[in-house]
Amino acid sequence: GAGVSQSPSNKVTEKGKDVELRCDPISGHTALYWYRQSLGQGLEFLIYFQGNSAPDKSGLPSDRFSAERTGGSVSTLTIQRTQQEDSAVYLCASSLRGQGSNYGYTFGSGTRLTVV
Amino acid sequence: AQKITQTQPGMFVQEKEAVTLDCTYDTSDPSYGLFWYKQPSSGEMIFLIYQGSYDQQNATEGRYSLNFQKARKSANLVISASQLGDSAMYFCAMREPYSGAGSYQLTFGKGTKLSVIP
Repeated sequence: GAGVSQSPSNKVTEKGKDVELRCDPISGHTALYWYRQSLGQGLEFLIYFQGNSAPDKSGLPSDRFSAERTGGSVSTLTIQRTQQEDSAVYLCASSLRGQGSNYGYTFGSGTRLTVV
Repeated sequence: AQKITQTQPGMFVQEKEAVTLDCTYDTSDPSYGLFWYKQPSSGEMIFLIYQGSYDQQNATEGRYSLNFQKARKSANLVISASQLGDSAMYFCAMREPYSGAGSYQLTFGKGTKLSVIP
């Protein structure tokens, strides 16, 4: 596609339920990042995928968070047993390679997750 | 310690005036990249400008320029001739060299909310 696509754009879930957030990167981009943006805050790195390499999970806040990337393309971020503090906008970004280009990383429009 | 510091939570500027958004960074690596992103109320992150640590000249992109002062570790964004459409959150970010777990991710500041007044 022309840009990074994320779905759903908005998700309201009950505390304790599991949620899946989807990211479809730009075709051909080998690197994919997930970030979290809490209200009024900057972006917090969660996880990084580069090609077929093992992902960098160093930013995941707890073991309730996991992500996978199938076939080097679409990625799914899963949050199990959601808590109210998980409420945030989850942004996905992709780039041609891990270090990105001098033109930065292309971000999706994000998924706004609200845990009630 | 914060790696990226944006000290201005909010800024106001008159339409057609210039405005400077501050950003200071902290790294011990000689090789790094600095980015500015714009985030309108719609939520998407829009890349504005990039400065590499070895670049000799300050980066410019249209109405955006980056005032890079390496010794002071500052990378301020200057927007000239402000327009109403410039009202948004602005984030400064840094990319450091790969450091094992670091994987080239960007580290973001907390942002500055710019409001352009007609």
